[in-house]
Amino acid sequence: EVQLVESGGGLVQPGGSLRLSCAASGFTVSSFWMHWVRQVPGKGLVWVSRIKSDGISTNYADSVKGRFTVSRDNANNALYLQMNSLRAEDTAVYYCARGGSGGSLADWGQGTLVTVSS
Amino acid sequence: EIVLTQSPGTLSLSPGERATLSCRASQSVNNIYLAWHQQKPGQAPRLLIYGTSNRATGIPDRFSGSGSGTDFTLTISRLEPEDFAVYYCQQYGGSPEITFGGGTKVEIK
Repeated sequence: EVQLVESGGGLVQPGGSLRLSCAASGFTVSSFWMHWVRQVPGKGLVWVSRIKSDGISTNYADSVKGRFTVSRDNANNALYLQMNSLRAEDTAVYYCARGGSGGSLADWGQGTLVTVSS
Repeated sequence: EIVLTQSPGTLSLSPGERATLSCRASQSVNNIYLAWHQQKPGQAPRLLIYGTSNRATGIPDRFSGSGSGTDFTLTISRLEPEDFAVYYCQQYGGSPEITFGGGTKVEIK
């Protein structure tokens, strides 16, 4: 059974940093595109970033480019999102997701809440 | 950027009724790259449909997807109590690589 469990969310001041983790089980992260998607509570879904199965190719939404870095650890079968220079507008629930057929997001974690506030 | 516009914003229906949800793209989307997700309150999204019309594993056959080009539809043939939720269409391709529609809430009438 595929499982994705995010952690690392919390309250951080504007300008601060946070590192999110996503522990995967039931599959190997190195075999799939892996994504981060965020959602402001009560609002819609917004794609944030992805990393290819080769671990080298990465892409980012313009709103986080240059501030966020996606990476993965094959040994621990985990995905990460390093978030720097955080802003109030980064406040959201962050989900990790496994890429599926045709660019779909086949499996989702339960999400972790990031709150950026002074 | 490919913008996805979902309509209606809210659909008020009774259990047993048919639901038809629309997703319109600002430019043509390859059928392979159009998906639908369901999200219930307090839960993560769940993939329902990929490649416009393929049901994901475990998705009941009352859910069906169709469409091409810029117009796509998710149909729920007979609403069950557990189907009342928010539905998002999602496309892959272009920049940014993935975009979502704003969502359609299916609520109990």
